[in-house]
Amino acid sequence: GAGVSQTPSNKVTEKGKYVELRCDPISGHTALYWYRQSLGQGPEFLIYFQGTGAADDSGLPNDRFFAVRPEGSVSTLKIQRTERGDSAVYLCASSLMGLGTEQFFGPGTRLTVL
Amino acid sequence: KQEVTQIPAALSVPEGENLVLNCSFTDSAIYNLQWFRQDPGKGLTSLLLIQSSQREQTSGRLNASLDKSSGRSTLYIAASQPGDSATYLCAVNEYSNYQLIWGAGTKLIIKP
Repeated sequence: GAGVSQTPSNKVTEKGKYVELRCDPISGHTALYWYRQSLGQGPEFLIYFQGTGAADDSGLPNDRFFAVRPEGSVSTLKIQRTERGDSAVYLCASSLMGLGTEQFFGPGTRLTVL
Repeated sequence: KQEVTQIPAALSVPEGENLVLNCSFTDSAIYNLQWFRQDPGKGLTSLLLIQSSQREQTSGRLNASLDKSSGRSTLYIAASQPGDSATYLCAVNEYSNYQLIWGAGTKLIIKP
């Protein structure tokens, strides 16, 4: 596909469960970003990958959150022991290179923790 | 710490009007600034990216300006249409920082 895709589009889970959110970046984009957006707010940075490595994970709120990008393309955001406060839209973006290049966003995954 | 503010939070205007959305940031040491559009329940669409060395960028009916020294950017929308209704967000990219720092957005409603 031409754009960034994310699956699932919606995820409802129970408190304490484990969830995985997937992001497929634009082909050829080396940089990949995860953001989290709560209602009425701008996105909040979580983590940035350059290739396979996490170049900046300073936005991950705690150790329940983890992300991987093993082959430098698809990325998975993993949340353990989900809490109600984790409910948000999780956005993924990719860019051709890293710093300063235009970021292109996927449609997001709406996570609801009951 | 960089902070990005967008005023107003919401704006409703009749179709056909020209309008200006405002974005301000506290630290002028930015690499670039992007304007995005977000439709309800959908992702973000990049509208314009202005590098720190540029003063403005234009795309169709949209014009974005950047005054880095005063920490301000504006998005000008000419001849507004109902299809322009959406939330508009600005975000800055700082030097040696891969993160985008975001405003909370301006929700724009264009009345037919």
